[in-house]
Amino acid sequence: RKEVEQDPGPFNVPEGATVAFNCTYSNSASQSFFWYRQDCRKEPKLLMSVYSSGNEDGRFTAQLNRASQYISLLIRDSKLSDSATYLCVVLSPRAFSGGYNKLIFGAGTRLAVHP
Amino acid sequence: GAVVSQHPSWVICKSGTSVKIECRSLDFQATTMFWYRQFPKQSLMLMATSNEGSKATYEQGVEKDKFLINHASLTLSTLTVTSAHPEDSSFYICSARERGDTDTQYFGPGTRLTVL
Repeated sequence: RKEVEQDPGPFNVPEGATVAFNCTYSNSASQSFFWYRQDCRKEPKLLMSVYSSGNEDGRFTAQLNRASQYISLLIRDSKLSDSATYLCVVLSPRAFSGGYNKLIFGAGTRLAVHP
Repeated sequence: GAVVSQHPSWVICKSGTSVKIECRSLDFQATTMFWYRQFPKQSLMLMATSNEGSKATYEQGVEKDKFLINHASLTLSTLTVTSAHPEDSSFYICSARERGDTDTQYFGPGTRLTVL
């Protein structure tokens, strides 16, 4: 089983739509969670961290359910510029990763927003 | 702030040659740098973790003699792909963690390697 699993998509949505991405992780000891955005042939860029209480940044809302080991990202009022791959990322505690905090990346969910 | 650069941004080489990729933290001191590899439509996979002044820690399945990592200063780490083969063609991305910060990694723009 992969440590971080995501639906690969692609999600094809019209501008203005609301879209939700889901992610599950296998290590219950994981403490930190993130959503990154990666454009084609570019490096990943941090979109937002994810907290147990849920957090919102403009049109983006991230939520964490520790009991279910489930992370979500909601994008409201989609823009053309939101088209990218969204990576669910979990920080593996050092006890499980040879003494270093290590980022574990999901394979990403592709989003294509069309006019 | 927190800018990481990589050089070169892309490279094409013949099979059997060695390629060196540089990763620099431009405005902070990076005690730890990470090297990732990403194949098309796949996730980033950590290859190795390097701490300044010490040997790199390689992930399972990554050959340390093939992927040489040097982290000689707090702002520079290099990855050398030795005797490159077409299957080594990939997108190589480094990230750097600032001294004292245990979670945040700043990513370089990546290097696209094509081995003919």
